[in-house]
Amino acid sequence: NAGVTQTPKFQVLKTGQSMTLQCAQDMNHEYMSWYRQDPGMGLRLIHYSVGAGITDQGEVPNGYNVSRSTTEDFPLRLLSAAPSQTSVYFCASSVRATNEKLFFGSGTQLSVL
Amino acid sequence: EDKVVQSPLSLVVHEGDTVTLNCSYEVTNFRSLLWYKQEKKAPTFLFMLTSSGIEKKSGRLSSILDKKELFSILNITATQTGDSAIYLCALTGPTGTASKLTFGTGTRLQVTL
Repeated sequence: NAGVTQTPKFQVLKTGQSMTLQCAQDMNHEYMSWYRQDPGMGLRLIHYSVGAGITDQGEVPNGYNVSRSTTEDFPLRLLSAAPSQTSVYFCASSVRATNEKLFFGSGTQLSVL
Repeated sequence: EDKVVQSPLSLVVHEGDTVTLNCSYEVTNFRSLLWYKQEKKAPTFLFMLTSSGIEKKSGRLSSILDKKELFSILNITATQTGDSAIYLCALTGPTGTASKLTFGTGTRLQVTL
């Protein structure tokens, strides 16, 4: 039972570098999303997708891109990393957008120097 | 802006104690309130509360929602060291869409021997 799988678990970037955080789920969930978790701020939604080919912005989308070419995968791209993007990133999915019960991946700890 | 406030921010108790974690909010138009447990990394779902006054139970954990007074509590009885975690509270939007979750900053619980 893989659930939601995120890679890598840890990453260190230099300012200006780009990278992609991978997220895959094997539960045939329609809804997928990306959150960032910062100390004292709770989880904040970056981008989400209600199905393959459909994406939308969340609360803090600037500096990030997403795409959803398949039901299973929802990668998050950092275009030009900045120290303010140092955070723990979580991918989460649910059966469909109207189902609030989210299943989370184990997270990616990203440091931007 | 929707606001979810959790208290206390952190708590240290001895094994066997009973704890009550609080989640208060300023939103009146929402469908559900959710509780998650975050150990080490991935938050895991505990409860979803939709109706006021109806207690949900799972083993030693229970939770109740008071829509009139705008709060929810999570009770843990006979605490164990395995209960050590961050407990997150989240509110949905009025239609219960997964993309409209607003998370609190969490309560960090440490259970000592």
